[in-house]
Amino acid sequence: GAGVSQTPSNKVTEKGKYVELRCDPISGHTALYWYRQSLGQGPEFLIYFQGTGAADDSGLPNDRFFAVRPEGSVSTLKIQRTERGDSAVYLCASRNQGLADTQYFGPGTRLTVL
Amino acid sequence: GDSVTQMEGPVTLSEEAFLTINCTYTATGYPSLFWYVQYPGEGLQLLLKATKADDKGSNKGFEATYRKETTSFHLEKGSVQVSDSAVYFCALIRGNKLVFGAGTILRVKS
Repeated sequence: GAGVSQTPSNKVTEKGKYVELRCDPISGHTALYWYRQSLGQGPEFLIYFQGTGAADDSGLPNDRFFAVRPEGSVSTLKIQRTERGDSAVYLCASRNQGLADTQYFGPGTRLTVL
Repeated sequence: GDSVTQMEGPVTLSEEAFLTINCTYTATGYPSLFWYVQYPGEGLQLLLKATKADDKGSNKGFEATYRKETTSFHLEKGSVQVSDSAVYFCALIRGNKLVFGAGTILRVKS
């Protein structure tokens, strides 16, 4: 498909476990973003990649959260030692370098930590 | 820091009613402003945007005007449909980050 895809769509894990969430951006989009949306709230910025490098990771809440984009396309958000407070929908977005403002969002991964 | 405040929902309207969802922002300078919509079971979609003061964004019958005097970007539609039922998010962009409001649920009854 032409849009941003995210897998899995749902992830249930136990407190203390490690999880990985994957994002496939729109082909050719050089910028990639991760946001977190808690219930009843708007999305909150986590990290932004330009190509392979993290240009801004100021939104990552603590060092349990890490993201990579090794080849400048697919990105993985990694959460270590998950806590119940990490439960949220994790959204990925991508942007074409030539269109400065418009970010296109994926459907999200709903993470539930029991 | 930058922030966006939206009117609380849910907003419940009958079909063909007039819609206004209020949005105000706090920011330095004049960032681009956006409305995103999230239909049930779907991802966030850009509805409209405005990049400078007095610009009007429009799409699918929705409109919003960038008002720097009142730091507002209210969303309007003249005649809503049941299919407009969704969550609407107002946002601004700061650098490369979108800053979102909390969202407003719209329910349209037939």
